[in-house]
Amino acid sequence: AQKVTQAQTEISVVEKEDVTLDCVYETRDTTYYLFWYKQPPSGELVFLIRRNSFDEQNEISGRYSWNFQKSTSSFNFTITASQVVDSAVYFCALSPNNNNDMRFGAGTRLTVKP
Amino acid sequence: ETGVTQSPTHLIKTRGQQVTLRCSSQSGHNTVSWYQQALGQGPQFIFQYYREEENGRGNFPPRFSGLQFPNYSSELNVNALELDDSALYLCASSLRAGGPGRNEQFFGPGTRLTVL
Repeated sequence: AQKVTQAQTEISVVEKEDVTLDCVYETRDTTYYLFWYKQPPSGELVFLIRRNSFDEQNEISGRYSWNFQKSTSSFNFTITASQVVDSAVYFCALSPNNNNDMRFGAGTRLTVKP
Repeated sequence: ETGVTQSPTHLIKTRGQQVTLRCSSQSGHNTVSWYQQALGQGPQFIFQYYREEENGRGNFPPRFSGLQFPNYSSELNVNALELDDSALYLCASSLRAGGPGRNEQFFGPGTRLTVL
């Protein structure tokens, strides 16, 4: 069974604070892909990152960084020096290698206050 | 390059009616996937269309059906609407068929369906 858990329903921070969004997944597949998407109020899902299960290197892209730990089945997302424009709902998702399905978590609503 | 577009933006229907939602894929993309996102939840995969045929389906009943046209645009049809069908319906296009792991999906803004 595939499952993604985002335990944090809502997070509120003040601008310039760092914030980490947690994602824990369950899968029996040895090959799989993990994703993070941002959903602003407009509703469109914006792709942030995709990682495959064989690549545990952490990644940094500007103020965004991701920590993939297979040992704990986690794929956490950190925003450094948050900005008001980062306010959105963030989704973590999991997709098996040979399946068209993409299983999303319930999302974390991030509010960054000025 | 034109992104993924969906129509209509909003729609209100009553229980038992039928609805058709439309999606135009991004230029050059031949595969369309549909997702249902209930309020406060993550999107759920409905099905994918490639070369005008269904290419994978999630856990949705047969009253959810789709079409893909030669220009790769797609329709999602829902018959016998139920109150629980109220949701944001998202369409995503990709360059080729298969899972999103190997084929990045680009999402449209969605159609918000309300069933009364």
